[in-house]
Amino acid sequence: DAGITQSPRHKVTETGTPVTLRCHQTENHRYMYWYRQDPGHGLRLIHYSYGVKDTDKGEVSDGYSVSRSKTEDFLLTLESATSSQTSVYFCAISEGSNYGYTFGSGTRLTVV
Amino acid sequence: DAKTTQPPSMDCAEGRAANLPCNHSTISGNEYVYWYRQIHSQGPQYIIHGLKNNETNEMASLIITEDRKSSTLILPHATLRDTAVYYCIVRGDTGRRALTFGSGTRLQVQP
Repeated sequence: DAGITQSPRHKVTETGTPVTLRCHQTENHRYMYWYRQDPGHGLRLIHYSYGVKDTDKGEVSDGYSVSRSKTEDFLLTLESATSSQTSVYFCAISEGSNYGYTFGSGTRLTVV
Repeated sequence: DAKTTQPPSMDCAEGRAANLPCNHSTISGNEYVYWYRQIHSQGPQYIIHGLKNNETNEMASLIITEDRKSSTLILPHATLRDTAVYYCIVRGDTGRRALTFGSGTRLQVQP
């Protein structure tokens, strides 16, 4: 979707290595979210942010950290990637709590 | 946030209206009903949301029962491109809450 970009689109990494996924928006939306999607589990919330330096944990936050030093960027870091973190990661943005989300195209991460 | 129940799958003929039901019998007064869809492996797409009144936009209509315990998403003239997983989500307007996605309904539009 226009206004939200995820990078990289695809990544293969080795177990134990650090990985950072980037979500960039040009909409100046306050709220940003990271989800992961696995077969049989649907979308699960990892972390979210309500503004610069204001982040909170979702239901599957273990093994992940996030940072938001600028409104437009929300970074998701896997400190030491594991095979269980092989997944498709989606970023979403929202103007506010009563607005719809706009999702990015996703990052397909494979940990070997 | 209230739990929702959706049928796992539905079929619809192309050109016909697709009516996707959602049960949210434990919904509370300040909770909104949201609908999203996900086409194949793309990111989910926002469709519509509402509180108590019926809503319509260029994509769909949302009909919420008077007691708010269930709702129906209507795609008036389904096309093959509407084949997707449709998610019904209930969430309160409490600021620091994110959407929780369930399993959704897999809609298959048949030619």
